Amino acid sequence: GENVEQHPSTLSVQEGDSAVIKCTYSDSASNYFPWYKQELGKRPQLIIDIRSNVGEKKDQRIAVTLNKTAKHFSLHITETQPEDSAVYFCAASRNTGFQKLVFGTGTRLLVSP
Amino acid sequence: SAVISQKPSRDICQRGTSLTIQCQVDSQVTMMFWYRQQPGQSLTLIATANQGSEATYESGFVIDKFPISRPNLTFSTLTVSNMSPEDSSIYLCSAYGMSGANVLTFGAGSRLTVL
Repeated sequence: GENVEQHPSTLSVQEGDSAVIKCTYSDSASNYFPWYKQELGKRPQLIIDIRSNVGEKKDQRIAVTLNKTAKHFSLHITETQPEDSAVYFCAASRNTGFQKLVFGTGTRLLVSP
Repeated sequence: SAVISQKPSRDICQRGTSLTIQCQVDSQVTMMFWYRQQPGQSLTLIATANQGSEATYESGFVIDKFPISRPNLTFSTLTVSNMSPEDSSIYLCSAYGMSGANVLTFGAGSRLTVL
């Protein structure tokens, strides 16, 4: 089955810096890669996703890149703000019709003012 | 996206007892998924709840320990049976919306503490 690895486990940055979180996956049939943000005590919420037919997707300060050949994808947050502090999870699925997601181990991002 | 309600939101349970978590979705969905999140950990899929058939369990999870019901397209329950302190976790229900957006949405979770 699918296995998703995520690095780093913790990331501390200064406000205004950029943050990058990287994930690798094992199943070459995976073609859907979402990122979730989980604030303390809250449910995970989707912040951005990418499908295998594109290499990059942007939404304001957040971008995701995908390298299908190398089987890795990354989350990029620019101009970080304290409210970006949370745990971020990457995930992967075959998405051939609402399939299960396999999650990475999570990255705790701390943005200091 | 689907709106998902779970209850209880939290509970403290005694070792050896069982607890049933309920999950209600505001629209009909084909599949519902139950995840477990142990303290400070990632989300691990327990099983996929299919309407009209038995749930599909992931490796390491068995029906006797985590029986699941799915009586209709908007509701599911997860029972944690014969609990031990190792079952202390957050249990999250999730589903894809049926409005066209292919987004897996989570309920707020049920935090169980087993003494």
